[in-house]
Amino acid sequence: GAVVSQHPSWVICKSGTSVKIECRSLDFQATTMFWYRQFPKQSLMLMATSNEGSKATYEQGVEKDKFLINHASLTLSTLTVTSAHPEDSSFYICSARAQTGNTIYFGEGSWLTVV
Amino acid sequence: LAKTTQPISMDSYEGQEVNITCSHNNIATNDYITWYQQFPSQGPRFIIQGYKTKVTNEVASLFIPADRKSSTLSLPRVSLSDTAVYYCLVGDYNQAGTALIFGKGTTLSVSS
Repeated sequence: GAVVSQHPSWVICKSGTSVKIECRSLDFQATTMFWYRQFPKQSLMLMATSNEGSKATYEQGVEKDKFLINHASLTLSTLTVTSAHPEDSSFYICSARAQTGNTIYFGEGSWLTVV
Repeated sequence: LAKTTQPISMDSYEGQEVNITCSHNNIATNDYITWYQQFPSQGPRFIIQGYKTKVTNEVASLFIPADRKSSTLSLPRVSLSDTAVYYCLVGDYNQAGTALIFGKGTTLSVSS
């Protein structure tokens, strides 16, 4: 199946700093990418939807100035957590939808720990 | 997006067939039904997708009745490694921007 890769797999950062997570579609062009966060033993929560070349659409309650999403090309989207705080510690997962077809594929996820 | 309802948890033994049913009473005409599997600390993995009747691949079967208001994921002869959370999702993902909204999923526990 299609491959979506996230980097880094895990990252530790200090409170107040910013951290960037990359999401790449390796073998297909993704017009739309989605970002989720997941707390332990909970389901995935959609944070935002990004379409290539346009601004991301954020879900209610997600701070767009804190979680910056960029989708500059058809194979790359980035999530930047700005001024991170310990409560931002979570598992962040991206997914991508190909230009054709009805299937969405997920990355491996990225663990963020803010200390 | 159609809301889905699944059992919170299921238990099984190795070698048994497991059937997980999902209800989606408000499914729309253009909606597809997709199932994902998720292991701890991993992203969800696509299992199978269907629109109507029956779909089968190398890992699972998906049964969808004529009214499409429910679907059943069938896992033949499960093993310990099938212990995971299974999510049923419904939507027309050909529509740009249509996101997958996850419910609570079904936690399947397989014992020896």
